[in-house]
Amino acid sequence: DTEVTQTPKHLVMGMTNKKSLKCEQHMGHRAMYWYKQKAKKPPELMFVYSYEKLSINESVPSRFSPECPNSSLLNLHLHALQPEDSALYLCASSQLRGSEKLFFGSGTQLSVL
Amino acid sequence: SQQGEEDPQALSIQEGENATMNCSYKTSINNLQWYRQNSGRGLVHLILIRSNEREKHSGRLRVTLDTSKKSSSLLITASRAADTASYFCNTGGFKTIFGAGTRLFVKA
Repeated sequence: DTEVTQTPKHLVMGMTNKKSLKCEQHMGHRAMYWYKQKAKKPPELMFVYSYEKLSINESVPSRFSPECPNSSLLNLHLHALQPEDSALYLCASSQLRGSEKLFFGSGTQLSVL
Repeated sequence: SQQGEEDPQALSIQEGENATMNCSYKTSINNLQWYRQNSGRGLVHLILIRSNEREKHSGRLRVTLDTSKKSSSLLITASRAADTASYFCNTGGFKTIFGAGTRLFVKA
């Protein structure tokens, strides 16, 4: 299994809602990543987990809260988002942090109303 | 920054033509990778070239690396409409930051 699975594929939420994005991989990878991508822009790194511990937080606002409950699962909890947070959220994994090849999920297209 | 910067930003060609994209970077690297992204989808790893390699082939893809100029190029030969996508380079490392990308449009 060489897939990274992200759910949901689409999400619409209001500014007062709480929602979560989920990412799962069963490749035994020990590094997992969250990226945010606006239209026609490159993916921007948000968080990196290595061995289930938060390794990098790229100064992301606290309304985004990552969680890595186990080596296969990565969540992104969303609360009190702003319309400018609307974007494609991509999860990726790699064998180790700094490994040569990233495997990406198909992303969650998020719209904040 | 280890970020790669792609050039051109956009490229439009006819099916069957070759497409060349360039990437420049700032720091020393162990390897350089190219990824493809179809619209609204995740990125797919295409090819990796190590710092001690000058050229690498994979199917219709040819990647070159010039570490003295800190640059790499990706050549797609005999392009197809299905090659329409954005292409990003990435110089790896802990932060795996992507450059702006080249948007390739192949007209049938």
